[in-house]
Amino acid sequence: RKEVEQDPGPFNVPEGATVAFNCTYSNSASQSFFWYRQDCRKEPKLLMSVYSSGNEDGRFTAQLNRASQYISLLIRDSKLSDSATYLCVVNSDYKLSFGAGTTVTVRA
Amino acid sequence: DADVTQTPRNRITKTGKRIMLECSQTKGHDRMYWYRQDPGLGLRLIYYSFDVKDINKGEISDGYSVSRQAQAKFSLSLESAIPNQTALYFCATQRPQLTNYGYTFGSGTRLTVV
Repeated sequence: RKEVEQDPGPFNVPEGATVAFNCTYSNSASQSFFWYRQDCRKEPKLLMSVYSSGNEDGRFTAQLNRASQYISLLIRDSKLSDSATYLCVVNSDYKLSFGAGTTVTVRA
Repeated sequence: DADVTQTPRNRITKTGKRIMLECSQTKGHDRMYWYRQDPGLGLRLIYYSFDVKDINKGEISDGYSVSRQAQAKFSLSLESAIPNQTALYFCATQRPQLTNYGYTFGSGTRLTVV
């Protein structure tokens, strides 16, 4: 079983729509959680950390459910520039484990 | 200049050749990592190092070796390249003792083994 699993998508949404997706992780002892964004096979870049209480950063909202071992990301008012692959990342034993990514395409 | 620099950016090499991918960083981070990325598989950890004298295997270390020449430099070698090592390789650094802090990645090296 993969340590981090994501729905690969793609999620094709119109501008202005809300899109949400999850990932699940297998290691219940995982310490910290992140969403990264990756464009066109460039390097992943940190989008946001995910905190137990849930957190927002502008149009992005992340949630963590430790009991069910899943993390979610919600994007409100989607922009064309949000088109990317979103990587779910879990920190266990000081190493990050990456999901394969969820592809989001926002169309005009 | 980028915080984490990888060289070369692109490389095509022949099966059986030895190749070294280099990574240098200006962030002063102790922890450095090498990952490879393949379509549909996500990033997989090859090797990591928590300081100059510390080298650890990741989940897919076979066929690879590393050298931590200094705090700022971490090189990945393919002793005898094979076609299934064709991938996008990323170096990353992490601020120590802050497990809630993510990685900073280099721009990647696209390696093709023919």
